[in-house]
Amino acid sequence: EDQVTQSPEALRLQEGESSSLNCSYTVSGLRGLFWYRQDPGKGPEFLFTLYSAGEEKEKERLKATLTKKESFLHITAPKPEDSATYLCAVSAAGNKLTFGGGTRVLVKP
Amino acid sequence: NAGVTQTPKFQVLKTGQSMTLQCAQDMNHNSMYWYRQDPGMGLRLIYYSASEGTTDKGEVPNGYNVSRLNKREFSLRLESAAPSQTSVYFCASRDVANYGYTFGSGTRLTVV
Repeated sequence: EDQVTQSPEALRLQEGESSSLNCSYTVSGLRGLFWYRQDPGKGPEFLFTLYSAGEEKEKERLKATLTKKESFLHITAPKPEDSATYLCAVSAAGNKLTFGGGTRVLVKP
Repeated sequence: NAGVTQTPKFQVLKTGQSMTLQCAQDMNHNSMYWYRQDPGMGLRLIYYSASEGTTDKGEVPNGYNVSRLNKREFSLRLESAAPSQTSVYFCASRDVANYGYTFGSGTRLTVV
């Protein structure tokens, strides 16, 4: 059974204070690892897809990396508008996404 | 704007009532999904449709039925609502080329 665990559950940062979110996974035959951002009252918004160990993707202040067991989402010099819940998910055989519980990030000015 | 449209956005039901949540996508995606999101539980798959004419159970299908009406539309039906079905429901569709999912904005359902 595919499993995804995200840590920490919640993260409070000062503006400009860089940090990392962790997503550890157990899956047979990883087809892709996904990061989503979710704002309150809205659906998840796609950020990145990573397909193989060693791959990295960047978008503005966010950088996602992937190893064989986990992925990290690095937030560099965050701003208050980066406050959101960040979701990690894996896709394996069967074309279904399995999600982790998410990390709630609050960036204070 | 292209994307996934869900209706209604909010609904309150009494225990035992039935209702259908509607979902439509205009991106010509083959696969569509229904998830529920509960505090502390994350997003859990209820049902999915890999292509028009097919549907399969996900992780938490009990109490729900689905219909893939055509390539664009995938509905979720609660035949006899229970308080345990109070949740936020998200519909998603998938681009087969890159495995990416596009989500709707959700339906917040309360069963009293």
